Amino acid sequence: KQEVTQIPAALSVPEGENLVLNCSFTDSAIYNLQWFRQDPGKGLTSLLLIQSSQREQTSGRLNASLDKSSGRSTLYIAASQPGDSATYLCAVGPDSWGKLQFGAGTQVVVTP
Amino acid sequence: NAGVTQTPKFRVLKTGQSMTLLCAQDMNHEYMYWYRQDPGMGLRLIHYSVGEGTTAKGEVPDGYNVSRLKKQNFLLGLESAAPSQTSVYFCASSYAGANVLTFGAGSRLTVL
Repeated sequence: KQEVTQIPAALSVPEGENLVLNCSFTDSAIYNLQWFRQDPGKGLTSLLLIQSSQREQTSGRLNASLDKSSGRSTLYIAASQPGDSATYLCAVGPDSWGKLQFGAGTQVVVTP
Repeated sequence: NAGVTQTPKFRVLKTGQSMTLLCAQDMNHEYMYWYRQDPGMGLRLIHYSVGEGTTAKGEVPDGYNVSRLKKQNFLLGLESAAPSQTSVYFCASSYAGANVLTFGAGSRLTVL
């Protein structure tokens, strides 16, 4: 059974620092991996999706890498801002359907 | 441009009561999903549907039933609520074969 782990569960950084969020998974037979953002009391917003054949994806200040063989993905957020404060979840897709396996998330606080 | 709408947003039930959560999407998505989110855990898939009139079990289906009588609606029912079903429930939808999901804002259910 696929297990998805995100460590640390929470972190706090001063504004301007780069954020590095980690995600690990036990079964490398994945279709893709996604990173989501969740704000308190709200739903999830998809940030980046990496197909299994890709090594990384970039969107603005966000960059996500994928190493399938080692079962790891990393989300980098450059020059963090207080507006980046949220919980970030990674999810592994075993196929093209939406039966995602989620990690528990990393709660991020960016202090001014 | 509503996206995915969940009702109700909050509900308190007593053990043994029944209720239905409604999910409606206006994006003409084929696939719809119900997830639950518990503290310290990732989202877990309860049931999903790949089209009108079809449903399938996810990772944690026990104690729940679903129906998809119309393409735009996906209902999640609890026939006899238990305290273990206290959770935040998220509905999501996607196009067929593309697991980029659009999530609703969530429904917080408390079972006393």
